[in-house]
Amino acid sequence: EAGVAQSPRYKIIEKRQSVAFWCNPISGHATLYWYQQILGQGPKLLIQFQNNGVVDDSQLPKDRFSAERLKGVDSTLKIQPAKLEDSAVYLCASSLESWPYTGELFFGEGSRLTVL
Amino acid sequence: EDQVTQSPEALRLQEGESSSLNCSYTVSGLRGLFWYRQDPGKGPEFLFTLYSAGEEKEKERLKATLTKKESFLHITAPKPEDSATYLCAVQGPSGTYKYIFGTGTRLKVLA
Repeated sequence: EAGVAQSPRYKIIEKRQSVAFWCNPISGHATLYWYQQILGQGPKLLIQFQNNGVVDDSQLPKDRFSAERLKGVDSTLKIQPAKLEDSAVYLCASSLESWPYTGELFFGEGSRLTVL
Repeated sequence: EDQVTQSPEALRLQEGESSSLNCSYTVSGLRGLFWYRQDPGKGPEFLFTLYSAGEEKEKERLKATLTKKESFLHITAPKPEDSATYLCAVQGPSGTYKYIFGTGTRLKVLA
């Protein structure tokens, strides 16, 4: 079974530039998450999708971050304009809401962003 | 507000020296508490799910326990390959099933 795919793995941009990250979850997984992980910290939830709909985006900085999940499959996370403090690893995860429920999230390898 | 706090932030153990990691949480209507392992440059890898107070799960040298306010990850006779960051997460009540992580414990096991 293929895992969660993310691209690009690494991205270096200047502040005020824009960047987009792509995620392809495991086939059949209805729930998709984007997390931001700053070095030395735990993952911080940015946005959670259930199929096409947004379940939670309370910690997404909406003035600069946007995310979409078209057709309930792939997702894109965009940052525009980027700030220095956006330097982090952006992790995508997916889960299968089925019985028996395990709550397991399957993570991609992440996209490491450096903002100069 | 839902919150997850892990301690200690970092832990160094000698090989074979058993210890415990703590995860305290506040969440209304806990759906599940989860432990993950994260190696450098990788995404977190699932270890356990605990659903209710009193529950225990084991896997090799790891044992996770849960009370109404906290969870412990006990590591018995650790080996250098157990070195990693251990993350605790909780999922809140139905309606959102918001899934939030703690800051993690960085474990280093010395040979």
